[in-house]
Amino acid sequence: GAVVSQHPSWVICKSGTSVKIECRSLDFQATTMFWYRQFPKQSLMLMATSNEGSKATYEQGVEKDKFLINHASLTLSTLTVTSAHPEDSSFYICSARGVWLDEYNEQFFGPGTRLTVL
Amino acid sequence: KQEVTQIPAALSVPEGENLVLNCSFTDSAIYNLQWFRQDPGKGLTSLLLIQSSQREQTSGRLNASLDKSSGRSTLYIAASQPGDSATYLCAVRPGSARQLTFGSGTQLTVLP
Repeated sequence: GAVVSQHPSWVICKSGTSVKIECRSLDFQATTMFWYRQFPKQSLMLMATSNEGSKATYEQGVEKDKFLINHASLTLSTLTVTSAHPEDSSFYICSARGVWLDEYNEQFFGPGTRLTVL
Repeated sequence: KQEVTQIPAALSVPEGENLVLNCSFTDSAIYNLQWFRQDPGKGLTSLLLIQSSQREQTSGRLNASLDKSSGRSTLYIAASQPGDSATYLCAVRPGSARQLTFGSGTQLTVLP
């Protein structure tokens, strides 16, 4: 299957700083990318959906000014957690869907980024 | 709003057993359903994707079935191994939206 990478795989930062997480589709072009967060022993919760070249669509309850998403190219999306606080500590996973004509195409997931805010 | 439920939340079996994981969803109008595996602290690995027009998919020791009318899917694992220990998530792509909706997962432990 197609490969999605995330960088960094883990990050520790101080409260009040901003952290950027990158998501790349390595061998395909992704028209749509999704950002999820996952708390310990819980399932994935969708945060936002982004399409290349347009603004992201955020799920209810997700602060768009805190979680900045940029999908500048067909292979790269970034999530910036601004002014991070300890409650933002979580596992962030991105997912990408390709430009295949078949609407039944798969979503491919990155390996995740563990964010710890001290 | 689509809701996805997985039962049981946790399962422990001895090595070699065949087992079934269950997934149910409230809205039968789906495009497809996927089963994923997640190891602790890791991302998701796609196991099987079932299109809405299909009834089952097989990959090695894994077999997934889909019954849209009853809103159910099962993941059958044959001859389980300790390496199968992980959390298994099912997710549906609703007919009216583009994103996947995930169940809460089943944590599987296969004892040697």
